[in-house]
This record gives sequence, structure tokens and C-alpha cells, in this order.
Amino acid sequence: DIQMTQSPSVLSASVGDRVTLNCKASQNINKYLNWYQQKLGEAPKLLIYNTNNLQTGIPSRFSGSGSGTDFTLTISSLQPEDFATYFCFQHNSWPFTFGSGTKLEIK
Amino acid sequence: EVKLLESGGGLVQPGGSLRLSCAASGFTFTDFYMSWIRQPPGKAPEWLGVIRNKANGYTTEYNPSVKGRFTISRDNTQNILYLQMNTLRAEDTAIYYCARSRYYSPDYWGQGVMVTVSS
Repeated sequence: DIQMTQSPSVLSASVGDRVTLNCKASQNINKYLNWYQQKLGEAPKLLIYNTNNLQTGIPSRFSGSGSGTDFTLTISSLQPEDFATYFCFQHNSWPFTFGSGTKLEIK
Repeated sequence: EVKLLESGGGLVQPGGSLRLSCAASGFTFTDFYMSWIRQPPGKAPEWLGVIRNKANGYTTEYNPSVKGRFTISRDNTQNILYLQMNTLRAEDTAIYYCARSRYYSPDYWGQGVMVTVSS
């Protein structure tokens, strides 16, 4: 199975900060990397699909980049509603796998 | 508006069976792949499997962790996705989500249903 390693596991930041979350795959996954946001008690919500495509309805402060094994999610200016846990997910190779998550908390 | 509503969860004894349902609306069901994903409390999600769309013959793929015990199917006349779970174990305890998928990329998720395997 492809292992997805997210870093950091916890990130403390303030409203207005620019933050970058990382996701590293144990093998090449081409462009097939999604980012999801999950708030407590809710289902994950798709933010970015296939590395850098913004899902409909998601604010443009979210962006994704990367290729092969190294990927990033950037939030350009944190808003109060962005404090949540973020998961990456590869859908290039069976079985598809999620990262362990980055919890973004208020500093 | 895409809506997905899971049902059928609950408490089941080890070795037991359970069938989850996911009622879909707001999109053309037969056009989309559909996935099942689970998430143990406080942990990361785990992809369980996918059933393809009409154009791809409604074929399935599974995570080896559940292959042979879990079966994904769909009723395309009633727009319902199913997950049949057999020989359940304590480690199957989780919130189970269905998700609409653009090919293999889950986009919209249901609210989830809790399955607890315990004696």
C-alpha cells in the first residue's frame, strides 16, 4: 500500500496567516491527490482534487500544488472557519489511502 | 443539490452481519462511481471500495482489508448504494460514509452512520 505522510501533525496559526500543509507519498502517485477538510462531528469536505483543482464552492484562498510524491495545500489567509483537520488522499494506486491528518488549531 | 443519506448502522456482535444503505439524490446516479469510506473515532479515514458507473459496467474494487467480507452493490432504479458487511470484527467499528465519486475521486460525502461491533 502507498503510505501518505502528512506534516506537521498539528499546526498552530493565527487568523490572517498564510499556512502550508504537506503530504508525502511513499511512491509516485502522479497528480491523483485530493485534500479534504473535516470539522468535528462532520463528514470530510473536498477542497482540492487532482493536486491543484479547486472544488466548486471552495474559496480561492485554498490552493494545492505538487507532483509525484510531494504535495502541499496552502491557505493564503486563514479565516476562523478554517480551523479543522485536513487529510490528503491518493487515488492513483490500489488500495487508495488517506494521510493521518494535520490538525490546524488557533494559536 | 447532491444529497447522500446513510442508514442501517448500529450495534452488532462480533461475527455478525450488517447492511448499510445510502440513498442518493440530486444527481444522475448511474453516471457516477460510488465509494464507501470508514473512519474509526479519532482516526484517519480508510477507503473501503468503489462501484463504477453504468458506462463501466458497475464493476467493483475493494481494499484488501475488507475484500471477501464486504460487498458493494447498487440499486440503480431506486438510487441506493449498499454495503453488505459480514463476519464483523471489533476493528470494523467506525463511522461509515458513502461518497459520490468522479471516477475514483470522492467529492460529496454523506453524513455517515456509526457501526459498533461489540459483545
